[in-house]
Amino acid sequence: AQSVSQHNHHVILSEAASLELGCNYSYGGTVNLFWYVQYPGQHLQLLLKYFSGDPLVKGIKGFEAEFIKSKFSFNLRKPSVQWSDTAEYFCAASDTGRRALTFGSGTRLQVQP
Amino acid sequence: DTGVSQNPRHKITKRGQNVTFRCDPISEHNRLYWYRQTLGQGPEFLTYFQNEAQLEKSRLLSDRFSAERPKGSFSTLEIQRTEQGDSAMYLCASSSILASGDEQFFGPGTRLTVL
Repeated sequence: AQSVSQHNHHVILSEAASLELGCNYSYGGTVNLFWYVQYPGQHLQLLLKYFSGDPLVKGIKGFEAEFIKSKFSFNLRKPSVQWSDTAEYFCAASDTGRRALTFGSGTRLQVQP
Repeated sequence: DTGVSQNPRHKITKRGQNVTFRCDPISEHNRLYWYRQTLGQGPEFLTYFQNEAQLEKSRLLSDRFSAERPKGSFSTLEIQRTEQGDSAMYLCASSSILASGDEQFFGPGTRLTVL
């Protein structure tokens, strides 16, 4: 079955620290990958997406993610976090034959000033 | 505001009652999705429309759940004979068939509490 795993459930960082959130997927065919963010009191917003081409994708607010096919991973990174990055981050995947997104359980990021 | 809108934002009901939620997608989007999110989990897919056709339904969508999109614009999700296990955030998303990669834009959700 298709699944997405996020192993870090809660991450606490100080401002200016580097961030890496793990995401692994289990899909049989070609996969589309996404990172969504949910700031406190707001709805889900797309940070970045990967469909094909360059495995290193850049998103909004200085975030980037790298697709490593051999590891079935799509980890999210940011070199220096800010207090305003405090939010919940969701990795999601879909295959090219279906429209449904499969989400991971989310990682709550808390950035301390 | 041209984003996805959902009404009501909160709904409290007693077990056994029927509830209906509405989703208005972004105006030019012809795909519409419903998801359910419980505390501590990511959203789970329920169903998907392309225009007025319901093209996919999850096994999570029991026969107490029904969704419609009669004119290919707004959509409704009805839950009959609600159960406490139905308490969750119900999310709607929309996307355009013309957009590459089918990026889905989410609404603020309707939080359902079943007492």
